[in-house]
Amino acid sequence: KAGVTQTPRYLIKTRGQQVTLSCSPISGHRSVSWYQQTPGQGLQFLFEYFSETQRNKGNFPGRFSGRQFSNSRSEMNVSTLELGDSALYLCASNRASGGAETQYFGPGTRLLVL
Amino acid sequence: AQSVTQLGSHVSVSEGALVLLRCNYSSSVPPYLFWYVQYPNQGLQLLLKYTSAATLVKGINGFEAEFKKSETSFHLTKPSAHMSDAAEYFCAVSPAGGSSYGKLTFGQGTILTVHP
Repeated sequence: KAGVTQTPRYLIKTRGQQVTLSCSPISGHRSVSWYQQTPGQGLQFLFEYFSETQRNKGNFPGRFSGRQFSNSRSEMNVSTLELGDSALYLCASNRASGGAETQYFGPGTRLLVL
Repeated sequence: AQSVTQLGSHVSVSEGALVLLRCNYSSSVPPYLFWYVQYPNQGLQLLLKYTSAATLVKGINGFEAEFKKSETSFHLTKPSAHMSDAAEYFCAVSPAGGSSYGKLTFGQGTILTVHP
């Protein structure tokens, strides 16, 4: 099976702009989670989507949003970018098995905000 | 609320030596526990997971971890370090029962350095 795909891999934006990141999960997985990774805050959960519905959300401002399509591909959007949004954004494809959910991560999108 | 504490942000070992990376968790319900590894400029790779079956869990690349409820620990070990083990390691927790809906809570990570 193909792994988790994230595009683009690298992005440079300026403050005030917006950005859209894309994630294609493993075939058959219907749940996708997003995380932000920074040196200062570590790995923080943004949100999770299952069958086009957001089921869980982390503690991030409303500038961070996401959606999921019927083919399970997911996008996240950050509007009005701030310098502090510079981070590695990771998408995870989630598989439920016997009550436990296992997450498989993509390579990430590295966003630099200037 | 759940939390994970990884003791030691940096661990350095010699090639061939034992690797021990420490993880303690705090959870109000019995959790599921995971170890991930991250190589530079890459995503996270799953090493192993504990989901309430056997308390000693074997993973990839010779790693294993033991769930100790009395100590609320899930330390990662490898008998003999290899240069290719140099990376950052993350312990993560989610509550059992499916209520977390895709959310893992991660520790701050431990950078493992392996000296020749």
